Amino acid sequence: GAVVSQHPSRVICKSGTSVKIECRSLDFQATTMFWYRQFPKQSLMLMATSNEGSKATYEQGVEKDKFLINHASLTLSTLTVTSAHPEDSSFYICSARDSKINTGELFFGEGSRLTVL
Amino acid sequence: AQSVTQLDSQVPVFEEAPVELRCNYSSSVSVYLFWYVQYPNQGLQLLLKYLSGSTLVKGINGFEAEFNKSQTSFHLRKPSVHISDTAEYFCAVSDLGTSGSRLTFGEGTQLTVNP
Repeated sequence: GAVVSQHPSRVICKSGTSVKIECRSLDFQATTMFWYRQFPKQSLMLMATSNEGSKATYEQGVEKDKFLINHASLTLSTLTVTSAHPEDSSFYICSARDSKINTGELFFGEGSRLTVL
Repeated sequence: AQSVTQLDSQVPVFEEAPVELRCNYSSSVSVYLFWYVQYPNQGLQLLLKYLSGSTLVKGINGFEAEFNKSQTSFHLRKPSVHISDTAEYFCAVSDLGTSGSRLTFGEGTQLTVNP
């Protein structure tokens, strides 16, 4: 089946530093990937839609300069949390849509737990 | 616009008991429906999906769901649960309208299986 790999699974950083999270589709091409943020015991909150070769589309209230998204190839999207602060601590999950499937089904990465000290 | 409502935020059950996790949706167009499971500190794993055809869909780990168009529901069931089924379950809906196959999630249901 389709596999999405997300790295790192856990990261701890100091306040003010930047952190990059990678999302890779391992056995399919993904022109569209999605980045979510999940708070404890809550559902997934869509942050942005990452489109290969073009700018990401951010959801209302999400700072595009804070959460930089790059989708440079059909198998890789990256989320960079710039100048991280403790309130950015969260579980970040990426998902990808197989370009050959048109059902809306998404394949999810394992998630990345960010802790900002 | 589409929306998903999971009617129970928490469902505690005993091991080997049957369980039903409820999901209702609203959409102005035809939809595809999904159930995902999330174990602690992990991403989401697809349990099952309804795309077309038979309204009773069987998934992994012994789960099944029934699509009911008239009631706009897609309830998830399992006849006998195990401790290992303890997890968060998300119902999701996708349409092919102007949103471009965007997946909308419910708030989730925490299933806790007790010995």
